[in-house]
Amino acid sequence: EVQLVQSGAEVKKPGESLRISCKGSGYSFTSYWISWVRQMPGKGLEWMGRIDPSDSYTNYSPSFQGHVTISADKSISTAYLQWSSLKASDTAMYYCARVYDSSGPFDYWGQGTLVTVSS
Amino acid sequence: DIQMTQSPSSLSASVGDRVTITCRASQGISNYLAWYQQKPGKVPKLLIYAASTLQSGVPSRFSGSGSGTDFTLTISSLQPEDVATYYCQKYNSALGTFGQGTKVEIK
Repeated sequence: EVQLVQSGAEVKKPGESLRISCKGSGYSFTSYWISWVRQMPGKGLEWMGRIDPSDSYTNYSPSFQGHVTISADKSISTAYLQWSSLKASDTAMYYCARVYDSSGPFDYWGQGTLVTVSS
Repeated sequence: DIQMTQSPSSLSASVGDRVTITCRASQGISNYLAWYQQKPGKVPKLLIYAASTLQSGVPSRFSGSGSGTDFTLTISSLQPEDVATYYCQKYNSALGTFGQGTKVEIK
């Protein structure tokens, strides 16, 4: 069974750093890209970027380029999304999703990680 | 960047009604279009890909059509469990842009 299991909810202060994770199982982790999607409270889905776990090649949405870093460790089948300095506006639910057929739709999703940034 | 615009932003319909949601791309994307369903408080779920291919396990009352810039998602007979927000997404390039969503409610 394909599963993407994300790390738990986080509460952080502005200016702090954070890395959240997404562990894949039940399939060949290096055969499928992983994308990250943001959903701010009460808002829609926003594609942030993606990574090819086989070589860690990344693409970013222009809206998120330079604000977050996507990485992966294929030895433990885990992708990451990280911030070096959080802002209150980063408060959101973050989903990872498996990209079908290298550049296709998102066929499996993680359960989401809620990040709350507040002083 | 190619923009994806959905209409309407919300709708209310009766059980059994036929419901249609439209998604328009600012440039042609062939059939590289997916539809997702997100029920309140839940994870998004892939319904349709390649504009018209039903994902495994999705009820046949859902259908998709279109190519190029104009696409539709149709629910042939709305059911109470279809209350959700529906999103289109293009995937013809590295940028997987979503539409802004259409919230479907029962009248």
